[in-house]
Amino acid sequence: EPEVTQTPSHQVTQMGQEVILRCVPISNHLYFYWYRQILGQKVEFLVSFYNNEISEKSEIFDDQFSVERPDGSNFTLKIRSTKLEDSAMYFCASGGGGTDTQYFGPGTRLTVL
Amino acid sequence: SQQGEEDPQALSIQEGENATMNCSYKTSINNLQWYRQNSGRGLVHLILIRSNEREKHSGRLRVTLDTSKKSSSLLITASRAADTASYFCATALGGGNKLTFGTGTQLKVEL
Repeated sequence: EPEVTQTPSHQVTQMGQEVILRCVPISNHLYFYWYRQILGQKVEFLVSFYNNEISEKSEIFDDQFSVERPDGSNFTLKIRSTKLEDSAMYFCASGGGGTDTQYFGPGTRLTVL
Repeated sequence: SQQGEEDPQALSIQEGENATMNCSYKTSINNLQWYRQNSGRGLVHLILIRSNEREKHSGRLRVTLDTSKKSSSLLITASRAADTASYFCATALGGGNKLTFGTGTQLKVEL
């Protein structure tokens, strides 16, 4: 069964450093998303991406964040200058292809020191 | 209450018993989805119910939706220890739209 994959599974970085989180969505899906979950809290929407552009973003998704679909398979989230409060589990999801269901990847745990 | 609030926050039952979790939301929705999350792991999609549906089944799962009360329930029948996880409801306004997650119910199924 096709699934969303994410790399790395765990990323440790120093405050102020740039990180890129990578995702490979399910191949025939049209919509791509990033969510995050701070430890012990709700899953929060960050951004959705469709037709090679951002379709919606949350207040969390400020100028420090960017997304890109550099080729036909990868979908990335970049945080330019990480802050301590960016520490969270980041989930990629994809959907579309005839269904509204969003399928989530296993997540990348980002730890900012 | 916030969009997507589950109750109870925590539920502990014995294996073989049924577990019922509820979700309430505030705005009109297109669909509601239930997810499971094992501790520290990813979100596993369980079931999607559309706003024009009232009940849906998948294996041991039964989901109901009452749009007049803006609420949904997830019933897990004949629970197993492997069902121990957090369960979240998530609402969407439409296809391609963001999901708004609830606070989750932590289910513990004891042997």
